[in-house]
Amino acid sequence: SQKIEQNSEALNIQEGKTATLTCNYTNYSPAYLQWYRQDPGRGPVFLLLIRENEKEKRKERLKVTFDTTLKQSLFHITASQPADSATYLCALEGNTPLVFGKGTRLSVIA
Amino acid sequence: DAGVIQSPRHEVTEMGQEVTLRCKPISGHDYLFWYRQTMMRGLELLIYFNNNVPIDDSGMPEDRFSAKMPNASFSTLKIQPSEPRDSAVYFCASSLGVNTEAFFGQGTRLTVV
Repeated sequence: SQKIEQNSEALNIQEGKTATLTCNYTNYSPAYLQWYRQDPGRGPVFLLLIRENEKEKRKERLKVTFDTTLKQSLFHITASQPADSATYLCALEGNTPLVFGKGTRLSVIA
Repeated sequence: DAGVIQSPRHEVTEMGQEVTLRCKPISGHDYLFWYRQTMMRGLELLIYFNNNVPIDDSGMPEDRFSAKMPNASFSTLKIQPSEPRDSAVYFCASSLGVNTEAFFGQGTRLTVV
């Protein structure tokens, strides 16, 4: 069956460091993958989309990679700040609408 | 546009009661999705519509759940009768395409006691 796994439920990191979140999937062949941010009490907000023919995509301090051979996407936040603390969800395109991972809760400690 | 609007934000109801959740999508978006989010299962797709027509409701957990979209600017998700295990946050989202960027509402936190 199709499965999406995000590396851990929670990740703590010191301010200024680079946070790296992982999204692994099985039994999918997505043409693209999306990353969302979710703050407590709010709905997910779109951050980035990366296509299967793109190895890497950047937006300000965010960088996403997509390795279709490893079936993995990495999401990096450089120079992390306490304001980056949130839950980050990856979502895969498939034959049905977006399927979401359970998310990783990132805490950036000052 | 104000974004996707859901109401109510919070709903507490007794087991066995009918619950209706409401959603106003972003104008011009052809797709509307209902998701349910719990700690255990994450964000699960319940049903989605394209141009007001239900396309896939295979995620609806039971016959107690039903959804309608009578026009392009309004959708409802109804649970009748409600049960404690239905307690979750229910999100509505809309998008231009089935797999394009999804815009989520603030969600409705449902508690069934």
